[in-house]
Amino acid sequence: QVQLQQWGAGLLKPSETLSLTCGVYGGSFSNYYWTWIRQTPGKGLEWIGEINDSGSANYNPSLKSRVTLSVDTSKSQFSLKLRSVTAADTAVYYCARGGTFYGVVLKFLQHWGQGTLVIVSS
Amino acid sequence: DIVMTQSPLSLPVTPGEPASISCRSNQSLLHDNGYNYLDWYLQKPGQSPQLLIYMVSNRASGVPDRFSGSGSGTDFTLKISRVEAEDVGVYYCMQGLQTLLTFGGGTKVEIK
Repeated sequence: QVQLQQWGAGLLKPSETLSLTCGVYGGSFSNYYWTWIRQTPGKGLEWIGEINDSGSANYNPSLKSRVTLSVDTSKSQFSLKLRSVTAADTAVYYCARGGTFYGVVLKFLQHWGQGTLVIVSS
Repeated sequence: DIVMTQSPLSLPVTPGEPASISCRSNQSLLHDNGYNYLDWYLQKPGQSPQLLIYMVSNRASGVPDRFSGSGSGTDFTLKISRVEAEDVGVYYCMQGLQTLLTFGGGTKVEIK
């Protein structure tokens, strides 16, 4: 049974860096897309970016200048850093894993972390 | 970006009755391989979203067969044959055709 468990600071001041890590338990770390999503009441579910086990990443253009995704395959973990946060970055952040369909690695989000509420406030 | 539009916004349902949610995209979700890259998720109150249906009509592991998906191109539907109390929550569609995944705004299903 695959489980994703995420952790990181939940309260930040404006201009600080958001840092979250997602640990993967009970499944392979190889050959999947590892994704970060955030959710706000105003914008709904927003894709932040994805990374594979080789470290190749894609980012939402709206966040690209401030986001870095990374992986640590030795620990089966992947991480999100979002720099220079503002109140607009207040959201619940989720990590998620993609799935496979007839052996092809795809991006539907088969497994999700528990979510982390991040509040940005001075 | 592909824009996903769901309707209705809110869906009051009676247990045992069917329910249907529509999802439309502003671009075709049909890949060259012949598959449509459209998925459905359910977010129960206080929980993370969970995968219900992937690639239009494939139920995720453990999803009851009262849930079904259909559609092609830009027009998709999620159907619940007989709603149960545990089905309440917000349903989202998501397109996986483009690198930038995008979601519908959600449909809140509640019991009458």
